[in-house]
Amino acid sequence: NAGVTQTPKFRVLKTGQSMTLLCAQDMNHEYMYWYRQDPGMGLRLIHYSVGEGTTAKGEVPDGYNVSRLKKQNFLLGLESAAPSQTSVYFCASSHSTEFTEAFFGQGTRLTVV
Amino acid sequence: AQSVTQLGSHVSVSEGALVLLRCNYSSSVPPYLFWYVQYPNQGLQLLLKYTSAATLVKGINGFEAEFKKSETSFHLTKPSAHMSDAAEYFCAVSDQAGTALIFGKGTTLSVSS
Repeated sequence: NAGVTQTPKFRVLKTGQSMTLLCAQDMNHEYMYWYRQDPGMGLRLIHYSVGEGTTAKGEVPDGYNVSRLKKQNFLLGLESAAPSQTSVYFCASSHSTEFTEAFFGQGTRLTVV
Repeated sequence: AQSVTQLGSHVSVSEGALVLLRCNYSSSVPPYLFWYVQYPNQGLQLLLKYTSAATLVKGINGFEAEFKKSETSFHLTKPSAHMSDAAEYFCAVSDQAGTALIFGKGTTLSVSS
């Protein structure tokens, strides 16, 4: 059982480049999330989705876009990367019937130079 | 809006000593509360959760937490620390809509022999 899988695990970008982070879950969860983790800041919610075809903004959405075309996948896009987006990105998923455990991926370490 | 405050960004204990990690929450509705653990270079793993069934919640690895509404607290404890408990710990609260988790800034636990 793979759970939540994030691709890639590491990436270095130059300022202004674009990229897409892929999150895939095999637990048939309705809800999916993207967080970023920075030292001393904890995890901050970027965007989330409560079902296929839906997305919503979280606490820090600026500079990011997301898509949920398939229930099992949640994509996070950076159109024009900035050094301030250097972070560790975590995807998570959970059931929708009640607020149960959120399952996290292993993270993507992104460096923007 | 919901929020959590973790008191102490770094806690150090000796092996065998009591572990106490503090978390206070702010919520306008009865909250769902969670403790997650993150080992180095890994994703987050659920330790325990409070969903109003019982105020004293037992989790994995000997951890437990007590929900105290009068103090708006959900402190994490373990009677006897083990070296393997060294990690970063996050307290989280569900948002008002019950669709996403809001995390504290984390507490790093160090255990010395």
